[in-house]
Amino acid sequence: ETGVTQSPTHLIKTRGQQVTLRCSSQSGHNTVSWYQQALGQGPQFIFQYYREEENGRGNFPPRFSGLQFPNYSSELNVNALELDDSALYLCASSSPTGFRPYTQYFGPGTRLTVL
Amino acid sequence: LAKTTQPISMDSYEGQEVNITCSHNNIATNDYITWYQQFPSQGPRFIIQGYKTKVTNEVASLFIPADRKSSTLSLPRVSLSDTAVYYCLVGASIYNQGGKLIFGQGTELSVKP
Repeated sequence: ETGVTQSPTHLIKTRGQQVTLRCSSQSGHNTVSWYQQALGQGPQFIFQYYREEENGRGNFPPRFSGLQFPNYSSELNVNALELDDSALYLCASSSPTGFRPYTQYFGPGTRLTVL
Repeated sequence: LAKTTQPISMDSYEGQEVNITCSHNNIATNDYITWYQQFPSQGPRFIIQGYKTKVTNEVASLFIPADRKSSTLSLPRVSLSDTAVYYCLVGASIYNQGGKLIFGQGTELSVKP
């Protein structure tokens, strides 16, 4: 069983540029969530995709957008990069069943540095 | 969504049992308690989840008193590799919350030889 993978591992961009981060969900999982983790902080929820539709969004501006593909992989796009966007971006996949909280499995993350 | 409070940091020595307590005074009836572990520059890893009383798996135990206003993660006989940040999360159906996991600042556990 393949776990959650993310690419690239590291990325350096300059302010104002655009970036696309990619995530492949764990086999059998149809839901992908994205989180931003600044240095020394806990992960902050950006949004979630369930069967190619956005299914919840955190307190992030519209320049953070996403996609989910038919194979359940996902992209996170960030436009007009700002210095504060420098962070570890985490993708988590899951497969909701029933009402009990389900486990989200995280990938290793993409370290984005904005100069 | 219930807010959680954990100690910012804890120190321990190899071979000791470590107990990390999380306070969640406003926990709702449908809320479950979940703990994640995170190593530097890696994604969080699920450790354990429970609703009430005691839950045990191969990695840890989770103790939840009857009023459910707190919970304690117990790590038996820690090793240097248990040095990590531990997050306590409280929430009900993640699906009904739009997938949101709410992380606090976590507890940074340092295990010394």
